[in-house]
Amino acid sequence: GNSVTQMEGPVTLSEEAFLTINCTYTATGYPSLFWYVQYPGEGLQLLLKATKADDKGSNKGFEATYRKETTSFHLEKGSVQVSDSAVYFCALRKNSGGYQKVTFGTGTKLQVIP
Amino acid sequence: GAVVSQHPSWVICKSGTSVKIECRSLDFQATTMFWYRQFPKQSLMLMATSNEGSKATYEQGVEKDKFLINHASLTLSTLTVTSAHPEDSSFYICSARGVSNQPQHFGDGTRLSIL
Repeated sequence: GNSVTQMEGPVTLSEEAFLTINCTYTATGYPSLFWYVQYPGEGLQLLLKATKADDKGSNKGFEATYRKETTSFHLEKGSVQVSDSAVYFCALRKNSGGYQKVTFGTGTKLQVIP
Repeated sequence: GAVVSQHPSWVICKSGTSVKIECRSLDFQATTMFWYRQFPKQSLMLMATSNEGSKATYEQGVEKDKFLINHASLTLSTLTVTSAHPEDSSFYICSARGVSNQPQHFGDGTRLSIL
């Protein structure tokens, strides 16, 4: 079946540091890939997505590139802020029996300190 | 690792009936559970957050009388779609978390089709 593997957290960075959160997936065919963010006390919000190989999703300074050859979708940001502290989930979406099924990673907690 | 079981995985029923979806944490105590809905070709939408023993907190625009959520124990939350209609057809997914600093685990989702 499909699966998503994320690097374990928590990740603690100083403000303005460079962020990378690794995500790899297992799926047949060509799934769509997503990063969701969950701020403390809130539900998931879509951060960015990519629907085909070599696409780059970007939003709020975050980027991730769909790498089919390495089955990866690593999340990066050049300069993190305290407000980026949250849990980040990598996910894939693939057709299953004519419907689109979402599979999530277990999340990576990011803590940014001033 | 922690597992969240969601049941059923797929249900088809007639318009006007009520459908119950279960979300169980199999090897940990879920203090908080989240219910999401996914419309075709769209991202997930948070419907409600439930804490064990408390009433669920619904997001704006979600009818709480339509989507009844019960979280009566630390291992089980249920979502009941009452008097379901074709527009309720969707993919519903739950997630569960222990205390606030623990990871969140997702169920495999339920595909609901209303005829």
